[in-house]
Amino acid sequence: AQSVAQPEDQVNVAEGNPLTVKCTYSVSGNPYLFWYVQYPNRGLQFLLKYITGDNLVKGSYGFEAEFNKSQTSFHLKKPSALVSDSALYFCAVRMDSSYKLIFGSGTRLLVRP
Amino acid sequence: EPEVTQTPSHQVTQMGQEVILRCVPISNHLYFYWYRQILGQKVEFLVSFYNNEISEKSEIFDDQFSVERPDGSNFTLKIRSTKLEDSAMYFCASRTGTGAYEQYFGPGTRLTVT
Repeated sequence: AQSVAQPEDQVNVAEGNPLTVKCTYSVSGNPYLFWYVQYPNRGLQFLLKYITGDNLVKGSYGFEAEFNKSQTSFHLKKPSALVSDSALYFCAVRMDSSYKLIFGSGTRLLVRP
Repeated sequence: EPEVTQTPSHQVTQMGQEVILRCVPISNHLYFYWYRQILGQKVEFLVSFYNNEISEKSEIFDDQFSVERPDGSNFTLKIRSTKLEDSAMYFCASRTGTGAYEQYFGPGTRLTVT
């Protein structure tokens, strides 16, 4: 069965430092991968996606993610964290044979000043 | 920037009652979805809808659930006889057509069944 794992419930980082939020997936076939962010009392906001092509994809607010097929990972990164990046981050996968997104459990990012 | 909207933001209902959750997807989008998130758990897919019919549904989406696009703008989720375990945040999402992969989510409706 397809699944997504986010091994860290929370990531703490100081403002200005690089951040990484980890995601691994388990699917049969070629995945479409996504990152979403959720701020308090808001819906899930799309950040970026990997469909095909370049393994490094860039998205909104300076975030990027690297698709690694051999490690089945899609980690979210940002070179310099901002306090305003503090939120709940979700990794998701979709198969091309399906319409649904399968989500990870979410990682809370806390950026301290 | 266009957004998916959902009403109400919070719905409280008694067990056994029917509820209708409403969504207005982004206007040029063709694919519509419902997801739910029980407190402390993952976001789970319920159903997808395209061309006025269900294109995929999960095991959660049993006979108690139905979806409808009654006009050109609204997309609704009906739960016929609510159970305590239906208490969750329900998210509506939409996306454009073929070739567009990302789904855009609404702010959610918190459903509390007492």
